[in-house]
Amino acid sequence: DTEVTQTPKHLVMGMTNKKSLKCEQHMGHRAMYWYKQKAKKPPELMFVYSYEKLSINESVPSRFSPECPNSSLLNLHLHALQPEDSALYLCASSQLGGGDTQYFGPGTRLTVL
Amino acid sequence: SQKIEQNSEALNIQEGKTATLTCNYTNYSPAYLQWYRQDPGRGPVFLLLIRENEKEKRKERLKVTFDTTLKQSLFHITASQPADSATYLCAFRAGNNRKLIWGLGTSLAVNP
Repeated sequence: DTEVTQTPKHLVMGMTNKKSLKCEQHMGHRAMYWYKQKAKKPPELMFVYSYEKLSINESVPSRFSPECPNSSLLNLHLHALQPEDSALYLCASSQLGGGDTQYFGPGTRLTVL
Repeated sequence: SQKIEQNSEALNIQEGKTATLTCNYTNYSPAYLQWYRQDPGRGPVFLLLIRENEKEKRKERLKVTFDTTLKQSLFHITASQPADSATYLCAFRAGNNRKLIWGLGTSLAVNP
């Protein structure tokens, strides 16, 4: 199984809402990633978890809070977002070592009103 | 800092022709370079990885070359089809962390 799943597919939220994005993989990968992507731009790394521990935080605002409950699951908790946070949020996973080929989920299209 | 440049212009080709996309990098010598395909509103899909000691890698109609002297990778799609229309991204890992450096991508349109 080479699939990374993400829920929900679409999310519309107000600036005062709290919501969560979920990601799951069953490939046994021990690195998991959150990316943000705006139109016509490459994915922009937000967070990396290695062995369920946060290893990279790309200076992401605290209104984004990642969580890795176990080696298969990754969550992104959202609170008090701004309209400019509207984007495609991508989860990815990879084995550790080598070229770090990343397997991406289909993404969550987030709109902040 | 490390940088990747890809053809910023969209590439339009006729069905059946070979598409060639370019990825140039600076300020680093990656041990691996990767190519991904991305369709609108979807996550990137891994296509091929090539190592610095490999000159060429093939997978079905896809071919990637890696010239460490020129600091360039070329991505070829032979016998192109309209279904190959997408954005193609190249990326490499710089250093020992998990972060990939991405190019902006090249949009390919294959016209029937």
